[in-house]
Amino acid sequence: AQSVTQLDSQVPVFEEAPVELRCNYSSSVSVYLFWYVQYPNQGLQLLLKYLSGSTLVKGINGFEAEFNKSQTSFHLRKPSVHISDTAEYFCAYARAAGNKLTFGGGTRVLVKP
Amino acid sequence: EAGVAQSPRYKIIEKRQSVAFWCNPISGHATLYWYQQILGQGPKLLIQFQNNGVVDDSQLPKDRFSAERLKGVDSTLKIQPAKLEDSAVYLCASSLRTSSYEQYFGPGTRLTVT
Repeated sequence: AQSVTQLDSQVPVFEEAPVELRCNYSSSVSVYLFWYVQYPNQGLQLLLKYLSGSTLVKGINGFEAEFNKSQTSFHLRKPSVHISDTAEYFCAYARAAGNKLTFGGGTRVLVKP
Repeated sequence: EAGVAQSPRYKIIEKRQSVAFWCNPISGHATLYWYQQILGQGPKLLIQFQNNGVVDDSQLPKDRFSAERLKGVDSTLKIQPAKLEDSAVYLCASSLRTSSYEQYFGPGTRLTVT
């Protein structure tokens, strides 16, 4: 069965420190990978996506992610976090354009001053 | 550009009652999705529409859930009768066409079933 695993349910981090959120996927076919952010009481907002090409993907708000096919991973990183980055982050994949997104369980990031 | 609109934002009902949620996608978006997000979990697709046709409803509990998108624009998701385990946030998303990768999400409707 295809799935997405986010290895950390919660990540506390101090302001201006780096953060990495881990995501592994399981699929027998090529997939397209996404990271979404969900601020409290809001819908999901796309941070970045990997469709093809360069394995290092840059997104909004200073986030980037690296696709690693051999390790079936798509980890999200930010070199210096702000208080405003406190949110829940979801990794997801789609098997093809227009297909449903399959989400991981989410990682809650709490940025401390 | 206006985003995906959903109403109501919050709803509290008792079990066995019925409830309906409304979604208005971004203008011109042909594909519409309904996701269920249970507390502490990632969203799970309930149903996907392409214009007014159903593309995927494999995870929709059809004995109690129904959805329609009659004119290919806005959509309604209904639960009848509700169960305690239906407590969740119901997210609507839309994308421009089936070849689009990016889905735009609304703010969601938080349902509490008591």
